[in-house]
Amino acid sequence: GNSVTQMEGPVTLSEEAFLTINCTYTATGYPSLFWYVQYPGEGLQLLLKATKADDKGSNKGFEATYRKETTSFHLEKGSVQVSDSAVYFCALRYSGGGADGLTFGKGTHLIIQP
Amino acid sequence: DTAVSQTPKYLVTQMGNDKSIKCEQNLGHDTMYWYKQDSKKFLKIMFSYNNKELIINETVPNRFSPKSPDKAHLNLHINSLELGDSAVYFCASSGRGELSGNTIYFGEGSWLTVV
Repeated sequence: GNSVTQMEGPVTLSEEAFLTINCTYTATGYPSLFWYVQYPGEGLQLLLKATKADDKGSNKGFEATYRKETTSFHLEKGSVQVSDSAVYFCALRYSGGGADGLTFGKGTHLIIQP
Repeated sequence: DTAVSQTPKYLVTQMGNDKSIKCEQNLGHDTMYWYKQDSKKFLKIMFSYNNKELIINETVPNRFSPKSPDKAHLNLHINSLELGDSAVYFCASSGRGELSGNTIYFGEGSWLTVV
């Protein structure tokens, strides 16, 4: 079956540090890949996505590239801010669509210190 | 305008009660979902509903029953609430076509506490 593995954290960084959150997946076929973010006390927001190999998703300074050869979708940001503190979820959706939903990783709690 | 809205946002109730969480989407999507987020933040799909076809996650107790009066609404009814039902429940929806792509959009969550 489909699965997503990501570093669980918490990951603690200083402001302006470089961020990488690793995500790897196991899936049949060619899934679409997503990063969602959950700020404290809030719901899930789509951060970025990629739907095919070598696609790069980007938003708010965050980037992730769909790497089929390594089955990875690592999240990166060059300079983090305190406001980036949140839980980040890597997820996949099988490209066949339909009523199959998303498979999530366990989430990575990111803490940015001033 | 809120794309996926769910009510209530917070709900505190006693064991044994029956409660419902309502969800509405104004995106014109055909598919709606309910997800459960446990105390460790782990997210797991409970149900998906696509054009009147309900797909049930086998691990969900039958005390949980989704009801969809139309394709814009998917409500979650829970009977005989237990302490272990305390969690955040997320409604979500997805569509087809180039505009929606393969993205699933989430509501803001309903924080359920059973005491």
